[in-house]
Amino acid sequence: QQQVKQSPQSLIVQKGGISIINCAYENTAFDYFPWYQQFPGKGPALLIAIRPDVSEKKEGRFTISFNKSAKQFSLHIMDSQPGDSATYFCAAYQGGSEKLVFGKGMKLTVNP
Amino acid sequence: DVKVTQSSRYLVKRTGEKVFLECVQDMDHENMFWYRQDPGLGLRLIYFSYDVKMKEKGDIPEGYSVSREKKERFSLILESASTNQTSMYLCASSSGLAAYLNEQFFGPGTRLTVL
Repeated sequence: QQQVKQSPQSLIVQKGGISIINCAYENTAFDYFPWYQQFPGKGPALLIAIRPDVSEKKEGRFTISFNKSAKQFSLHIMDSQPGDSATYFCAAYQGGSEKLVFGKGMKLTVNP
Repeated sequence: DVKVTQSSRYLVKRTGEKVFLECVQDMDHENMFWYRQDPGLGLRLIYFSYDVKMKEKGDIPEGYSVSREKKERFSLILESASTNQTSMYLCASSSGLAAYLNEQFFGPGTRLTVL
């Protein structure tokens, strides 16, 4: 049973374009939604995160949009750059547990 | 900077061997995790530990065990390695304090090949 569903599995965009990654969840007890970025040969690292009491959070070119009623959240990468080429994981955390539940990841390729 | 180190970047073992993967973190974190990462399957939690000598099973514990004798060190043990355990293994740690939003810090991974 996959608790966090992520789509698409892969995405190719041109430099300067917008990359959009979508995630959906079922467990309404989730209360923290981070995104992790993983470059080849490295471990994942926290990119940006959001709590469900806000609908949007922006950090530089990265924006999380959160739709609590639809139980969906998405990552938008504006003005995508070749250096953004990486695998992106959405995740969800339930208060009281120490565990993060990860999506299956999306490989982003930004062509120059 | 938080640092999570893993004992090997690449490891090649034979079927049936006992394999130890070591992970050390230097931030005095309470929680430590072992994941495996496979193409198309994402990150799957094997075991985690929230304190010394404490452990809990994750989603795929079969064929694995863990040991946490010291706060900074978390070991993953494959009692009898099999070819289906060929994978990338990632260790992570996090603070048990809510103020840190439970960010997990990952090591660089160990790519294990079982022949």
